[in-house]
Amino acid sequence: GAVVSQHPSRVICKSGTSVKIECRSLDFQATTMFWYRQFPKKSLMLMATSNEGSKATYEQGVEKDKFLINHASLTLSTLTVTSAHPEDSSFYICSASKQGYGYEQYFGPGTRLTVT
Amino acid sequence: KNQVEQSPQSLIILEGKNCTLQCNYTVSPFSNLRWYKQDTGRGPVSLTIMTFSENTKSNGRYTATLDADTKQSSLHITASQLSDSASYICVVSASTNAGKSTFGDGTTLTVKP
Repeated sequence: GAVVSQHPSRVICKSGTSVKIECRSLDFQATTMFWYRQFPKKSLMLMATSNEGSKATYEQGVEKDKFLINHASLTLSTLTVTSAHPEDSSFYICSASKQGYGYEQYFGPGTRLTVT
Repeated sequence: KNQVEQSPQSLIILEGKNCTLQCNYTVSPFSNLRWYKQDTGRGPVSLTIMTFSENTKSNGRYTATLDADTKQSSLHITASQLSDSASYICVVSASTNAGKSTFGDGTTLTVKP
């Protein structure tokens, strides 16, 4: 149990366009979902935390207008990168927790975004 | 400031050998410590989770230890296999500040035949 999926696994988009990444908890209801960004050979950097039905909490330095997060249900969260630029190219990973902050997180397989 | 430091940064061992990865933290007050394995280009997968009262936990060939007094944890891998090649990430959560998790930078393990 505790499987998290992400879609798409890879996406290439042109500069200036927007791209949406979906994160789904397949076999459990996620109280909280997290979005991370990971640079090569670096650990995960938390971007934002979202609870179902409420606004996401963004980490310092993360532009909320650029990285739109919607947590519409207990099994689905989406991250939309708006007006993407090449510097937004990265590996984006979501995770979901059954119990919320500070508890076991189940990670998705990640989405490789390349902005040309 | 809550910090998690992992060592070594990278490690190369021969298949079949054992190895130990270290994690030191300053997160306080402590809630739990988790070890994850992350294959290249994939999301992290949980190996162990330990709370304050636990000082050893095993998951197959992986054994994690926790010393809450010295704020240290280790992950021991026995009889390494080529598939153990990955990044191993230590994550520590606080029991306050909304249980915020602090991630270590990871140890990159390479197992060679």
